Amino acid sequence: DQQVKQNSPSLSVQEGRISILNCDYTNSMFDYFLWYKKYPAEGPTFLISISSIKDKNEDGRFTVFLNKSAKHLSLHIVPSQPGDSAVYFCAASHLNYGGSQGNLIFGKGTKLSVKP
Amino acid sequence: KAGVTQTPRYLIKTRGQQVTLSCSPISGHRSVSWYQQTPGQGLQFLFEYFSETQRNKGNFPGRFSGRQFSNSRSEMNVSTLELGDSALYLCASSLYRGNSPLHFGNGTRLTVT
Repeated sequence: DQQVKQNSPSLSVQEGRISILNCDYTNSMFDYFLWYKKYPAEGPTFLISISSIKDKNEDGRFTVFLNKSAKHLSLHIVPSQPGDSAVYFCAASHLNYGGSQGNLIFGKGTKLSVKP
Repeated sequence: KAGVTQTPRYLIKTRGQQVTLSCSPISGHRSVSWYQQTPGQGLQFLFEYFSETQRNKGNFPGRFSGRQFSNSRSEMNVSTLELGDSALYLCASSLYRGNSPLHFGNGTRLTVT
């Protein structure tokens, strides 16, 4: 039973446009969410996180939006660059409900291709 | 600052053998977690260590074990290897305080034949 779902296995975007990656979760105790990106033959790299007390967090070209009522979060990349082409993973934890940041539940990833 | 270092990068083992993987966390990080990545199941949590104690364990059989040393370095061991254990094993470290993200190594690719 997948608690974190990324329903789009792949996404293709033109350079300079916005990339929107989506993630849904089922566990209402999740209170900390993260996005990682992964290049082939490398480990996942932390991008951005958001606590459940917020609905938006920005870091440069990356913005994460959280809609708790819909149990949905999204990652916006603006503008998209060819170097952003990678697999993006959404992850969640329940820090205030017996969880820890070491125990993350990951989605299965979305492969983003940014075309020049 | 050096990142998380995992050794070896690649391993080929035979069914029934055992294997030990090693992880050196980022300097100053005292928490180490291990994950298994497979094409079918994605990234799955194995266990988490802090101050040489296992803090959390995922839903894996007892053949999977780990430990952490006083210098925060960690090892994981898989005994009686099965074909299904073929995977990328990722180690991650963090500061073990609220909202401190995990930083991953590049993994050990284990192939069981």
